[in-house]
Amino acid sequence: KAGVTQTPRYLIKTRGQQVTLSCSPISGHRSVSWYQQTPGQGLQFLFEYFSETQRNKGNFPGRFSGRQFSNSRSEMNVSTLELGDSALYLCASSLAGGLEKLFFGSGTQLSVL
Amino acid sequence: LAKTTQPISMDSYEGQEVNITCSHNNIATNDYITWYQQFPSQGPRFIIQGYKTKVTNEVASLFIPADRKSSTLSLPRVSLSDTAVYYCLVGFTGGGNKLTFGTGTQLKVEL
Repeated sequence: KAGVTQTPRYLIKTRGQQVTLSCSPISGHRSVSWYQQTPGQGLQFLFEYFSETQRNKGNFPGRFSGRQFSNSRSEMNVSTLELGDSALYLCASSLAGGLEKLFFGSGTQLSVL
Repeated sequence: LAKTTQPISMDSYEGQEVNITCSHNNIATNDYITWYQQFPSQGPRFIIQGYKTKVTNEVASLFIPADRKSSTLSLPRVSLSDTAVYYCLVGFTGGGNKLTFGTGTQLKVEL
């Protein structure tokens, strides 16, 4: 059974640009959640999608957005990139979301120059 | 969502048992306790989950006292490969809650 796939693995952007990250969940999983990880702030929850609907949202500015498609694949978009957006972005999938067993991808390492 | 408190770091030697305690004073009745392990540049990996008393699987045990205000992850006979960050999470299964990982506990295992 294939795991959670995130693309791209690495990304370099400049300030002001926008970026789209992709996450393919495990087959059959309907919940996809996104996290930002930085050395200073640790793992922070961005948002969770379930059946194409955003169900929960963390405390991030509106520049961070996401969506989920009918096949459960999810994308995350960050507009007007800032230097502080440099981080490892992780997505996780599960059958129903919440604190059930989450399966994480290897993440996308975003560097903003 | 229940706030959790864990030690920032712990050191151990190969072959020893390691116990990492997590404090969660405001745990709710329908909350579960889950532990994850994370290696550098990788996503966290599920270790174990429990609601009360003791849960054991092939890699760890989870001890939860009757008041459920804390929990202890026990790793038997650690090896160098157990060097990682360990996170304690508290929340209810199913959707509707924002998962907070906190800063975790950096476990360093030496020879």
